[in-house]
Amino acid sequence: NAGVTQTPKFQVLKTGQSMTLQCAQDMNHNSMYWYRQDPGMGLRLIYYSASEGTTDKGEVPNGYNVSRLNKREFSLRLESAAPSQTSVYFCASSEPYRGSSTDTQYFGPGTRLTVL
Amino acid sequence: QKEVEQNSGPLSVPEGAIASLNCTYSDRGSQSFFWYRQYSGKSPELIMFIYSNGDKEDGRFTAQLNKASQYVSLLIRDSQPSDSATYLCAVMLSGAGSYQLTFGKGTKLSVIP
Repeated sequence: NAGVTQTPKFQVLKTGQSMTLQCAQDMNHNSMYWYRQDPGMGLRLIYYSASEGTTDKGEVPNGYNVSRLNKREFSLRLESAAPSQTSVYFCASSEPYRGSSTDTQYFGPGTRLTVL
Repeated sequence: QKEVEQNSGPLSVPEGAIASLNCTYSDRGSQSFFWYRQYSGKSPELIMFIYSNGDKEDGRFTAQLNKASQYVSLLIRDSQPSDSATYLCAVMLSGAGSYQLTFGKGTKLSVIP
């Protein structure tokens, strides 16, 4: 049981290049999320997918697109990378916590992206 | 605008002492509250969550929630050097069909041996 996995772990891009960050979870969770974390800014939600087949914008969606490929996989695409997108990107998945109505999120190891 | 505020620290405590981490939130509709621990260069890991007023204990950790004051705290008893990390407070507004978290910027805790 690997939990939430992300690839790649590190990436360096030039301005204007595109790339896709991959995320997969093996916990059979319905909901998945993409966050970015910048120094002094905390974790900010980019996009989320409440269930397979649905995606919605979070707090900072500009410059990104997502695809919920199936229940396990949720990818994040940067079509034309900019230096402002230099950050650490975390994927997370969640399930309703047993015995309550709340929902706990579990995070992947992160992708460290630098855009030059 | 939903906001979650934490003191950035660093908060320094001696080994064996109680570390007290505080968090305030602006949205009165917030239903669930989470504490995550994040070691440098690692991903956040869940310590505990709370959704009822009062205290919730799990080992050396106690979460306290006061919805009237919009305040949630985390106490770490018998602090250890391994507790040195950044602690993230997160709140969730449930009932929207998806479970979005709003995070604070985190408090850096340093436990001095």
